[in-house]
Amino acid sequence: RKEVEQDPGPFNVPEGATVAFNCTYSNSASQSFFWYRQDCRKEPKLLMSVYSSGNEDGRFTAQLNRASQYISLLIRDSKLSDSATYLCVAFTGGGNKLTFGTGTQLKVEL
Amino acid sequence: GAVVSQHPSWVICKSGTSVKIECRSLDFQATTMFWYRQFPKQSLMLMATSNEGSKATYEQGVEKDKFLINHASLTLSTLTVTSAHPEDSSFYICSAQTSGAGDTQYFGPGTRLTVL
Repeated sequence: RKEVEQDPGPFNVPEGATVAFNCTYSNSASQSFFWYRQDCRKEPKLLMSVYSSGNEDGRFTAQLNRASQYISLLIRDSKLSDSATYLCVAFTGGGNKLTFGTGTQLKVEL
Repeated sequence: GAVVSQHPSWVICKSGTSVKIECRSLDFQATTMFWYRQFPKQSLMLMATSNEGSKATYEQGVEKDKFLINHASLTLSTLTVTSAHPEDSSFYICSAQTSGAGDTQYFGPGTRLTVL
């Protein structure tokens, strides 16, 4: 079983739609969680951290459920420029390492 | 924000040759640098963690004699793929972290290696 699992997609949505991605992690020792965005053939870029209380950054909302070991990302009012692969990432302090999911591909269409 | 550069951006080489990739932190000192590899449609996989002035720590399954890592200064780490073969073709990405464990990792733009 992969340490961080995501549905690879692709998710094809019309512009303006609301879309949600889910992620599960298996290592209960993971301390912090993040969503990264990766464009084709580019490096990943930090989108936002994820907190148990839920956090929002503009059109993006992230949520962490430690009991279920589940993380979500909600994108409202999708833009064409949101088309990318979204990576769910867990940080484990003991090993000081980030573990990446395989990513969920989003395609926003006109 | 913190900037990390990688050189070269892409490289095509013949099987059996060695390729060196540089990772530099341009405006901060990186006590720790990480090397990742990403195959098409797969996640980034951590290859090794390197701390300035000490030997790198390799992840399970990564051959340390094949992927040589040198972190000689607080702003430069190099990864050398020795005797590269077509199966080594991949996207290699480095990241750099400032002083504390758990600090944000800043990613380089990646190096695309193609071995013929």
